[in-house]
Amino acid sequence: QQQVKQSPQSLIVQKGGISIINCAYENTAFDYFPWYQQFPGKGPALLIAIRPDVSEKKEGRFTISFNKSAKQFSLHIMDSQPGDSATYFCAASVNSGYALNFGKGTSLLVTP
Amino acid sequence: NAGVTQTPKFQVLKTGQSMTLQCAQDMNHNSMYWYRQDPGMGLRLIYYSASEGTTDKGEVPNGYNVSRLNKREFSLRLESAAPSQTSVYFCASSGDRGLGEAFFGQGTRLTVV
Repeated sequence: QQQVKQSPQSLIVQKGGISIINCAYENTAFDYFPWYQQFPGKGPALLIAIRPDVSEKKEGRFTISFNKSAKQFSLHIMDSQPGDSATYFCAASVNSGYALNFGKGTSLLVTP
Repeated sequence: NAGVTQTPKFQVLKTGQSMTLQCAQDMNHNSMYWYRQDPGMGLRLIYYSASEGTTDKGEVPNGYNVSRLNKREFSLRLESAAPSQTSVYFCASSGDRGLGEAFFGQGTRLTVV
């Protein structure tokens, strides 16, 4: 069963707007939460990641918000640009484990 | 910098045929993985290898076998391909004990007819 649930499945945002993608998990042993970005025909690439000892991490226009008690985390893309149009995957893993559990992905389209 | 290299990039198989997908990484990573990506399903783990000489099943291992040939190479074999195995396959690697960033290859698009 899907250990990480991601929503929405698709998202359309105007240029300059804020894109928000949400994920939820059940396994409290997860302690590494990355977001991956994938362009058509390419493999996923790490965008930003967070560990549960912090509630927010920001890198440029990308921010992860983490709510440990709710077992939820989200990706915010500020000032969204057409070049951000891609599929975004949230994921989670156990620190001493070896594999990422991925959400089903969100297809983001940023319109000019 | 090559990173993770997968071959082939595209393949068409007939039902019942066998093939091996090759993966090599040049980052001296201990952990390597095979995922499959299907529309609306995200990436699902097929097999992984925490270190040279070890392999473990992931979420969807049925119909596949793997070999960790050495630290650099991790291959995925389909012994008798089925249409349900039509997918995009990604190999990935990560550092010690699977911590930190996982680097993905460009993928192999496999069609089984």
